[in-house]
Formats: sequence, structure tokens, C-alpha cells
Amino acid sequence: ILNVEQSPQSLHVQEGDSTNFTCSFPSSNFYALHWYRWETAKSPEALFVMTLNGDEKKKGRISATLNTKEGYSYLYIKGSQPEDSATYLCAFQSDSWGKLQFGAGTQVVVTP
Amino acid sequence: KAGVTQTPRYLIKTRGQQVTLSCSPISGHRSVSWYQQTPGQGLQFLFEYFSETQRNKGNFPGRFSGRQFSNSRSEMNVSTLELGDSALYLCASRLAAKNIQYFGAGTRLSVL
Repeated sequence: ILNVEQSPQSLHVQEGDSTNFTCSFPSSNFYALHWYRWETAKSPEALFVMTLNGDEKKKGRISATLNTKEGYSYLYIKGSQPEDSATYLCAFQSDSWGKLQFGAGTQVVVTP
Repeated sequence: KAGVTQTPRYLIKTRGQQVTLSCSPISGHRSVSWYQQTPGQGLQFLFEYFSETQRNKGNFPGRFSGRQFSNSRSEMNVSTLELGDSALYLCASRLAAKNIQYFGAGTRLSVL
């Protein structure tokens, strides 16, 4: 049973457009929230690890925000490019050990 | 620095057989976690090993087991294979003190 939810399940974006999507997670027993990008036939790649309420992280055109009190995180892609096409996964961590509880992912397709 | 290496990349087995998958973590990483992905399911946590000890276990039957060696390499074993064990198995390693988990490319197991 997943209580880490991601929406939408998939997104089609025109090249150059910006987009965002959501990860919701339990607001209790929060330790960290992870974002991964997973391209077909490759390893999941860590984008961000967020630990504090109000955290904002940025990596190039991708950024993320975190609200631990209400249990959600947003991932933003600014000026989408075809190479941004991937499945974006969020994962909830409830303690310092490595168990991650993943959402089902948001599949992003960027068309030229 | 070499990344997380999983072998083999692909495996075909028949029902009732057993299988062993291998994961070599990034040099210096002492924690290794294993995840299963089946069609329609998100990544499901199997177990985590740290310093040759299992620290955490997911909700999987006892047919799924693992171990870690003194060089931090880990193996995962599935006995009495079932059709439903067909999946992509990923391992991830991390430094004990840091949260980022680095994933391997996975082993795709098909059970016929």
C-alpha cells in the first residue's frame, strides 16, 4: 500500500513550457523527502534530498519545494527540454536508515 | 569513481528455481538497500544491509533473503521462484552518514 502519492501520473509538455507536479506523503514521522529522475534503461538519478520544512532546492532548470507540515512537495521544471523526458519519483524516508517509500512516479514527455 | 554495479543485468529462470543477484556498492559506501519494481507497482523496499547486518526489512515473504560481505558487496537470494517474482531488482548504496542513495541499473528477472 502506497501512502506516497504522486500526481499527475503522466504529463505531456511542449518544449520550452514550464511544468510542475506533486508528491504527497505522511506528515508524521518525517525524516527526508527524495526526488529521483529515472530515464528508460538507466539508473534512477538522485535530484534532491530535502529534510527541512520550507526547503527549496534547485538544480539547473529543476527546482523543488517542501512542506512537511501538510505533507507535500512540488517539483518544477522551467523551460522543459526533450532531455527532461523521464519518470520523476519521490520517496519518503521516516528515519535515518535507508528505507525509502516511493510514489508511483510522474512520467514527463517533452515534445519538440 | 565507479557507480553501483549489479550483476547479472538479465536473468531467466523457471518456477521453483532459486536465484542470486549481486550488488557492488560505490567504494566507501557501507549501506546497501534492495528494491523490487513490478509492472503497476512502485519501487518496493526489500531490505537494507549495513556492516554485514540487516537493518531493515520490507514486507516480503521469507523466500527473499540477502546478505552483505565484509567488502560491503551484497547478494540477494530468492528461493522457490514464482511467476510474480518477475521484476526489476534495484540496489542502492549510500554513505552511512548521508541520505543520498545511488542506484545501480538493476537486474531484470523473468520467471517462466
